[in-house]
Amino acid sequence: NAGVMQNPRHLVRRRGQEARLRCSPMKGHSHVYWYRQLPEEGLKFMVYLQKENIIDESGMPKERFSAEFPKEGPSILRIQQVVRGDSAAYFCASSLDQGPQHFGDGTRLSIL
Amino acid sequence: AQSVTQPDIHITVSEGASLELRCNYSYGATPYLFWYVQSPGQGLQLLLKYFSGDTLVQGIKGFEADFKRSQSSFNLRKPSVHWSDAAEYFCAVGTKAAGNKLTFGGGTRVLVKP
Repeated sequence: NAGVMQNPRHLVRRRGQEARLRCSPMKGHSHVYWYRQLPEEGLKFMVYLQKENIIDESGMPKERFSAEFPKEGPSILRIQQVVRGDSAAYFCASSLDQGPQHFGDGTRLSIL
Repeated sequence: AQSVTQPDIHITVSEGASLELRCNYSYGATPYLFWYVQSPGQGLQLLLKYFSGDTLVQGIKGFEADFKRSQSSFNLRKPSVHWSDAAEYFCAVGTKAAGNKLTFGGGTRVLVKP
């Protein structure tokens, strides 16, 4: 499967722990986007990255959240000191240049 | 700021009947428009997109959408639904100026009756 790969599919954390979500874009894609989907809602943009650069992080909460897309390896969305309100599905999408975005199957984060 | 409205939260349709899902957007410039479908527990699959040109867009799985600039709408249609079309459908807007980040509507959940 050459699509966007996200892992883990499900992640359970206790309040105060850290969550790391990984995204490997489609082969050849250098643009990565992260979105969050709260229960019964649509997706909300969080951050847009290209290799080693954050292009737009206007949708990221100012505290506890960070994202990176290193030269080698997957993109990482990191949430520190998780709280109950962080429970959601987190989706990664990738695109070639600025074409249509292709989505992964998401990581469902549950906070105990 | 751009926004997308999908007025119908749920739609129930009989198998074989036609389906139309509404989408209205608000944005000053000409947007890129998309429809995605999401099955339970899955990611989003791109059904079709509009960038420019012919305002009637054909997509996968027999879907089509009609861009009407005067009404700021991009409604999705299918002439005859199949049970496998039961899913949630999202309309999304992107613009080159915004770096192509997508703004999504709240989604429409489609139920298909036998």
